[in-house]
Amino acid sequence: DIQMTQSPSSLSASVGDRVTITCRATHDIRSSLAWYQQKPGKAPKLLIYAASTLQSGVPSRFSGSGSGTDFTLTISSLQPEDVATYYCQRYHSAPPTFGQGTKVEIK
Amino acid sequence: QFQLVQSGAEVKKPGASVKVSCKASGYTFTNYGISWIRQAPGQGLEWMGWISPKYDYTNYAENVQGRVTVTADTSTSTVYLEVRSLTSDDTAVYYCARELDTRHPNYFDLWGQGTLVIVSS
Repeated sequence: DIQMTQSPSSLSASVGDRVTITCRATHDIRSSLAWYQQKPGKAPKLLIYAASTLQSGVPSRFSGSGSGTDFTLTISSLQPEDVATYYCQRYHSAPPTFGQGTKVEIK
Repeated sequence: QFQLVQSGAEVKKPGASVKVSCKASGYTFTNYGISWIRQAPGQGLEWMGWISPKYDYTNYAENVQGRVTVTADTSTSTVYLEVRSLTSDDTAVYYCARELDTRHPNYFDLWGQGTLVIVSS
């Protein structure tokens, strides 16, 4: 199976900071990568798919980039409501697999 | 408004079975596949299996194959997950999630609210 590794596992940043989360695949997955936001006690929410396409309704401060094995989720200006755990997920071949998550907190 | 509504929390004894439901509304049920994804307490997301309601195809994760069955009832737009021979390792929140039915795995654009299953003697 293709494994996904996220870094860091957690981070603390100030409101307004630029935040970057990285996801690395063990094999080339082209652009078959999605990012999700999960707030405590809630279901995950799709933020980005196809590595860089913003899901409808998601604030433009979220962006994704990358292809092949290395991907990035960027929050351009961290807001208090962005406190959550973020997961990457690769798809297109079975089984779909998730990264282990990155917990984002406000400093 | 499209949504997936799951059944309520369950408490089961080791060795028992559990069946969780996921009712879809607001969209054409047979245009999308449904996956089941679980999350153990304090842990990450684990994909378990998938069904195409249109073609009645299923696919399962290797670690649950043979112990898990996913079915769909197109007359009620409901998908079911049955897990048998439960152990404490199956204690988790179980989510259903919608994906485009392209016959290979996809991203999940709509999630149910989650169903907590507790396995305890």
